[in-house]
Amino acid sequence: EVLLVESGGGLVKPGGSLRLSCAASSFTFNNYAMNWVRQAPGEGLEWVSSISSSSTYIYYADSVKGRFTISRDDAKNSLYLQMNSLRAEDTAVYYCARYNDYAAFDVWGQGTMVTVSS
Amino acid sequence: EVVMTQSPATLSVSPGERATLSCRASQSVSTYLAWYQQKPGQPPRLLIYGASTRATGIPARFSGSGSGTEFTLTISSLQSDDYALYYCQQYNNWPPYTFGQGTKLEIK
Repeated sequence: EVLLVESGGGLVKPGGSLRLSCAASSFTFNNYAMNWVRQAPGEGLEWVSSISSSSTYIYYADSVKGRFTISRDDAKNSLYLQMNSLRAEDTAVYYCARYNDYAAFDVWGQGTMVTVSS
Repeated sequence: EVVMTQSPATLSVSPGERATLSCRASQSVSTYLAWYQQKPGQPPRLLIYGASTRATGIPARFSGSGSGTEFTLTISSLQSDDYALYYCQQYNNWPPYTFGQGTKLEIK
């Protein structure tokens, strides 16, 4: 079964940092671009960041640019999101999602909750 | 940025009836349009991609149509399992990938 499992969420104070991980299994991870998408409590979906296969291209939403860093380790089949200078408005469930070209975001993890609060 | 607008915000439909959800893009996205279903406490699940292609394992009662700026998700005969939130997403003009605000499908 194709699987994505996020970890690393938790409670952090404003201005703090957190590193999220997403472990992939049962597919050839290095063939796919990967994404982070977040969902604030009771709100809709917001794309956060994308990284292409081989890490050639990286993109961020304006809301996180300069504060978040996406990366991947294909040897470990893992995706990461380093989040610095966290704000209350970053509070959300963070999902990793596989991008499958014309098939859009076809696989999603269960999500990890990030709460930014003093 | 392409703005995606879904309507209605909430749709009340009886079991066995047809549900029609709409999604409009602020500029053409060709057929790079996906629909996702989300239930409480769960991640989104891909239903439709390429505006009209059902994802693996999605029942035939789900169908998508449209191109350019106007799209529709139709559920032909609602089952109890179909009551959920539905999001459209464009992946033609990115970054950013953009989602609609969602349509809540509830039991009438």
